Order: sequence, then structure tokens, then C-alpha cells
Amino acid sequence: GQQLNQSPQSMFIQEGEDVSMNCTSSSIFNTWLWYKQDPGEGPVLLIALYKAGELTSNGRLTAQFGITRKDSFLNISASIPSDVGIYFCAGQGAQKLVFGQGTRLTINP
Amino acid sequence: ETGVTQTPRHLVMGMTNKKSLKCEQHLGHNAMYWYKQSAKKPLELMFVYNFKEQTENNSVPSRFSPECPNSSHLFLHLHTLQPEDSALYLCASSQEAWRQGEAFFGQGTRLTVV
Repeated sequence: GQQLNQSPQSMFIQEGEDVSMNCTSSSIFNTWLWYKQDPGEGPVLLIALYKAGELTSNGRLTAQFGITRKDSFLNISASIPSDVGIYFCAGQGAQKLVFGQGTRLTINP
Repeated sequence: ETGVTQTPRHLVMGMTNKKSLKCEQHLGHNAMYWYKQSAKKPLELMFVYNFKEQTENNSVPSRFSPECPNSSHLFLHLHTLQPEDSALYLCASSQEAWRQGEAFFGQGTRLTVV
């Protein structure tokens, strides 16, 4: 079935640094989505991308829908302590929504 | 607070017990979902309900039995579970089933099977 490869699996950074993570797939998707999950909470949608090549920002977060429709990346600029959490990508093809395994972000103050 | 409420937040049950997880949303959404989240694995979609009708069952064992009495409530009945069923069970809802990616998630029920 369809699978997403999300990397890195974990990141340890200093406050103020920029962060970059990505998802790749062997399958083409029509939609790419990025979520954040805080400890003890469910995932929250951060950014949704609907068109190949689309670049969308949400505050300090920027995500892009790869031109091949098989990948997407998420950047976080000038990280702050509340950015800590697990970030998930998801791709939606003709039918199913497929999730990546997540990137755990840890920030050292 | 996302508008999707799950109870209980934590549940410990024996393998011979019967318990139920509850999910409630008052967002006016028509689609509701159960997901299983295990450590180091992607979120796994278990069931989809659209306008109270089950539209998707992703090969979930029969020891998990969903129930959707109306568009605002979703239950997951559990019986004779196995230790490997221990996980975070997340409920979600979206306006329509085709907008699954835009779903709002509840906080989850952390289930431990002993």
C-alpha cells in the first residue's frame, strides 16, 4: 500500500534555530497536510496544500507541495519552546489519507 | 479545546473486560473517525462514519466494535482485547468524509490492556 517516509525521525535544536523536515512517497498525492501533536493531545492541522508547487505559510511555518506530487516539506523559522512536539505529514490520494511516522522536535533553551 | 471530546482520557483494562470509549462533537460535522496511534507507527485509520453510516472498516479485528447513534456521538466498544491493543485511540470529525485531512481530533484515550 501507500507509505510515507518522513524524516528526520527526531531533531534536537537550540531555541532560535530554523527547522526543516520532509516527507517523500513513491505514490502521487493530490493533497499534502502537516499536523502537530502536543503531549497528551490529538494532532492539530497546521497547513494544507492542494496544488503541486504550492507554497503556504502559517506564521513562522512554511510548507510546500512538491512539484512531482510525491513529496512535501515543512520549515519552522526561529524556533521557540512551544514548537516542541511531534510533527506529522499526511498525503491524500484518490481515496485514503496516509500518515508519516512523525518528527519529534526537542528544543534546548 | 478542538470541539471533539473523548472520554475516558485513560483506561486500564484486563483482557476479559468489556469497556467503551466515547467521542462527542458539537461542530456540526457529518463524518467521524476512530484512529489508533501506537508508538513509532503512523496513525492507523480504523473506522469511518459518514452521516451515521459506517463507510470504512480497515480490517479491524471484531474485538473492536464501533457504534454511531447520531452524527454527534461515536463509541468504540472493546472486548477481549490483547496487550498489543494498548495504544492511544483518537477520535476525529470533519465536515464531510472527503475532507478527512481537515479533521479535528480529540485528545485521545490512552488504553492499556493488562
